[in-house]
Amino acid sequence: DTGVSQDPRHKITKRGQNVTFRCDPISEHNRLYWYRQTLGQGPEFLTYFQNEAQLEKSRLLSDRFSAERPKGSFSTLEIQRTEQGDSAMYLCASSLNSNQPQHFGDGTRLSIL
Amino acid sequence: KNQVEQSPQSLIILEGKNCTLQCNYTVSPFSNLRWYKQDTGRGPVSLTIMTFSENTKSNGRYTATLDADTKQSSLHITASQLSDSASYICVVTPQGGGFKTIFGAGTRLFVKA
Repeated sequence: DTGVSQDPRHKITKRGQNVTFRCDPISEHNRLYWYRQTLGQGPEFLTYFQNEAQLEKSRLLSDRFSAERPKGSFSTLEIQRTEQGDSAMYLCASSLNSNQPQHFGDGTRLSIL
Repeated sequence: KNQVEQSPQSLIILEGKNCTLQCNYTVSPFSNLRWYKQDTGRGPVSLTIMTFSENTKSNGRYTATLDADTKQSSLHITASQLSDSASYICVVTPQGGGFKTIFGAGTRLFVKA
């Protein structure tokens, strides 16, 4: 399968812990996006990379959130000192350019106890 | 504020019937409008993509229409199948803002046998 893959699929952790998610985009795609989705809502933009450069961050991305794409391939999203409000599905998507559809992974579902 | 509003919020139809989902947007000017299908627990999958100059696009039993004058789009599903049960999300990309895609909250479609 050469689609976007995300790991882990599910993460359950206690409030206050740090978590890290990984996204492997489609190999030739230089654009990578992170979104957060809560139940009954559409995805909300978090951040965007073009190759290894993080070009935009949403105001939703508080200082507890950090994303990296060190070699322009896979990306990680870290949440420090998790809060219950962080419980959501975290989706990663990639695209070849801005005019092509974004291909989404199946997300990481985060549950904070 | 750029917005994408979808209706209805949810819809129940019998297998084999047709249905139409609506999307109203205020994003202007825009680059493209897309419809995605999202199965429960999965990432969204692109169904159709239309630029502002197109007014219809088909993908099998799915047909999307676009009226740029009234800023409305619809997704028509013909001869529904049980596997069509999913959320359908309308997504608009502002002109010049490739990563600034705006997602609607989606319409949750239930197809019953």
